[in-house]
Amino acid sequence: SQTIHQWPATLVQPVGSPLSLECTVEGTSNPNLYWYRQAAGRGLQLLFYSVGIGQISSEVPQNLSASRPQDRQFILSSKKLLLSDSGFYLCAWSVLGTPLNEQFFGPGTRLTVL
Amino acid sequence: DAKTTQPTSMDCAEGRAANLPCNHSTISGNEYVYWYRQIHSQGPQYIIHGLKNNETNEMASLIITEDRKSSTLILPHATLRDTAVYYCIVRVAGSDSWGKLQFGAGTQVVVTP
Repeated sequence: SQTIHQWPATLVQPVGSPLSLECTVEGTSNPNLYWYRQAAGRGLQLLFYSVGIGQISSEVPQNLSASRPQDRQFILSSKKLLLSDSGFYLCAWSVLGTPLNEQFFGPGTRLTVL
Repeated sequence: DAKTTQPTSMDCAEGRAANLPCNHSTISGNEYVYWYRQIHSQGPQYIIHGLKNNETNEMASLIITEDRKSSTLILPHATLRDTAVYYCIVRVAGSDSWGKLQFGAGTQVVVTP
């Protein structure tokens, strides 16, 4: 069966520090991968999506970047965190080639920037 | 993708049916209606989706009006574990929007004993 992992589960970082959040998927090949952010009391916002290794599309201009070094690995990064980067970060996957299929979400990383 | 409108919140008694409305008056013919829910501090969970026919699965039923401008998600026997934010999403199926979901504010459903 397929599983999705995210780590760390929680993170507290000072303003200006770097960030690296990792997401890995098991049990499937060539998935679509997504990063979402949910600010406190707000809905989910799509940040990045990827349809393959090295292929990243950005949905909104921001302080963050994403990379996909391996088929089932998706990384969210920042060189210098801002206070506004605080939130709940969710990684998700769906099956490539079936755009109507459901997305499966990971457990999330709660980031607090102080 | 079409915009959706949902009530901000609603309460439901445990064991009763919960009917969650969603308006999508600008929906296009090739847009599907999806429902997800998010339990507090967890990732969203897919519930159901449909195009124009009513759909039912082990979690819920989806009723789409004939003009497709609105839909209703029905949780037949709500339990306390159904307390969550429910998102109604409409989107086009196609290479330009593969899998992308645009989440709105959703409806906070609270199931009470």
